[in-house]
Amino acid sequence: SQQGEEDPQALSIQEGENATMNCSYKTSINNLQWYRQNSGRGLVHLILIRSNEREKHSGRLRVTLDTSKKSSSLLITASRAADTASYFCATGNTDKLIFGTGTRLQVFP
Amino acid sequence: EAGVAQSPRYKIIEKRQSVAFWCNPISGHATLYWYQQILGQGPKLLIQFQNNGVVDDSQLPKDRFSAERLKGVDSTLKIQPAKLEDSAVYLCASSLVPGGPQETQYFGPGTRLLVL
Repeated sequence: SQQGEEDPQALSIQEGENATMNCSYKTSINNLQWYRQNSGRGLVHLILIRSNEREKHSGRLRVTLDTSKKSSSLLITASRAADTASYFCATGNTDKLIFGTGTRLQVFP
Repeated sequence: EAGVAQSPRYKIIEKRQSVAFWCNPISGHATLYWYQQILGQGPKLLIQFQNNGVVDDSQLPKDRFSAERLKGVDSTLKIQPAKLEDSAVYLCASSLVPGGPQETQYFGPGTRLLVL
């Protein structure tokens, strides 16, 4: 079963705009990770945020985590056409990662 | 550092045939995972190895799927016989630390399987 639900399912923006995608989950977690998947390729790890952290930055990425609401958000600032991909959140529990359903992001030049 | 290697990249078979996928993880990575990703969904864990032992195979359909990890390095995933609903991308991933949801998983490019 899939623990995380991403919202929106699909997002289309212009280059330079910011993209925000959200992830909600159901059970307690140790950490939450975000991965990117380009069409026809494997997943690439973007960022990991632990359950005792509230915000984390990596380059143009900003991730927040609200354990009281069981939700996380991924913000991509100043998006580029190369950011076009599917983005998945994955919740880490005691022994495994469970992936969400993904958000398909399309960035138009 | 070389990434996770998988082969073949694509496979088309008829239902009831058998198929095997191969994965070579990043050197030194103790944990190896096989995921199934159906179109439009996130990856679903099929089996997790730590070295050459199985940690979790609770979602592996054992009547038709089998997997092994040779000498704690390479791994093969087999489907016999295949069903139409097995059409998916099969992803292999590895992580450095045993038992690793706390750690980054590194994914291979996947094998896209189409069952006709």
